[in-house]
Amino acid sequence: EPEVTQTPSHQVTQMGQEVILRCVPISNHLYFYWYRQILGQKVEFLVSFYNNEISEKSEIFDDQFSVERPDGSNFTLKIRSTKLEDSAMYFCASSESPNNEQFFGPGTRLTVL
Amino acid sequence: GQNIDQPTEMTATEGAIVQINCTYQTSGFNGLFWYQQHAGEAPTFLSYNVLDGLEEKGRFSSFLSRSKGYSYLLLKELQMKDSASYLCAVSHLNYGGATNKLIFGTGTLLAVQP
Repeated sequence: EPEVTQTPSHQVTQMGQEVILRCVPISNHLYFYWYRQILGQKVEFLVSFYNNEISEKSEIFDDQFSVERPDGSNFTLKIRSTKLEDSAMYFCASSESPNNEQFFGPGTRLTVL
Repeated sequence: GQNIDQPTEMTATEGAIVQINCTYQTSGFNGLFWYQQHAGEAPTFLSYNVLDGLEEKGRFSSFLSRSKGYSYLLLKELQMKDSASYLCAVSHLNYGGATNKLIFGTGTLLAVQP
């Protein structure tokens, strides 16, 4: 069964460093999303992406964040200068259409020291 | 604003039935999803309701009343492996763009006991 994959599974970084989280969405999906979940809290929407551009972003997704689809399979989230409060599980998701279920990847646990 | 409420925790017995409620207040409603999340893992899709009524899928059923801003997830014949968080998520219509984001509740942690 097709699935969303994410790398790395864990990332530890120093405050102020740049990180890139990688995702490979399901191959025939066209809609891509990033969510995050701080430990013990709810899943929060960050950004959605379609047709090679951002469709919607939350207030969390400030100038420190960017997304890119560098080729036909990868979808990346970059945090330019990480802060302690960026520590969270980051989930990538994809869907076939806007109204279909979103399939989530296993997540990248980001720890900022 | 958007608000989604669900109980924080519930406990039930193996083999029993449990109902997890969710109420929501949101603009741009485009359907309601239920996801299951085991600790440290990704949410996995359980059900989707966009019209009023009951959707049944094996041991899981979900109900939606749009006029009341209310949904529930019903789990039958509970098994120990059903111990997890159950997340209610509203699909929010993005009028200006192509995608619909999911707005999640805090989740209901269900503990199934022998």
